[in-house]
Amino acid sequence: KNEVEQSPQNLTAQEGEFITINCSYSVGISALHWLQQHPGGGIVSLFMLSSGKKKHGRLIATINIQEKHSSLHITASHPRDSAVYICAVTDMRFGAGTRLTVKP
Amino acid sequence: GAGVSQSPSNKVTEKGKDVELRCDPISGHTALYWYRQSLGQGLEFLIYFQGNSAPDKSGLPSDRFSAERTGGSVSTLTIQRTQQEDSAVYLCASSPQTGRGTDTQYFGPGTRLTVL
Repeated sequence: KNEVEQSPQNLTAQEGEFITINCSYSVGISALHWLQQHPGGGIVSLFMLSSGKKKHGRLIATINIQEKHSSLHITASHPRDSAVYICAVTDMRFGAGTRLTVKP
Repeated sequence: GAGVSQSPSNKVTEKGKDVELRCDPISGHTALYWYRQSLGQGLEFLIYFQGNSAPDKSGLPSDRFSAERTGGSVSTLTIQRTQQEDSAVYLCASSPQTGRGTDTQYFGPGTRLTVL
């Protein structure tokens, strides 16, 4: 079993929909990262969090340390949000990624 | 300011040859990471530098892989006697603070390595 599990693997949404991507992990961590990989391959760090919730624009990340679970939410999704979203735990073990496609 | 840069952007080599991949981190960033992403696969941690030292080399797939960092800045990942399974995109990232995975990372554009 992978130590970092993401769901869903693929997600297709209509523009404007609320998106949730989940990440569960089985190891102790001090921080969790959410990354975005664009179709061209470039990777951008969206959030690093160790507790609670962070918000940046239309993106919200939450983490529950006791339950070993984190979620990434996108409000009012837009086609430009189409990308692969990846979670990673402290020592940089990665989930397999969630491929998001937002249709206009 | 300048981001993380990597060179070359693409490298095609023949099986058995040695290759060197270079990473220039953001100036002043103490931590530097190398990752690998094989075609259609997820990200894989290779090695982490804290300054010039590499406290964790556990991700290097074999003894054909080595990396060094000099002057707390530029890093080179060397793959000796390349094999076809080494074909992948090699990504470098840097972050301001030491402590593996405890700070925001800034990623370079990657080097796409193809071993024929």
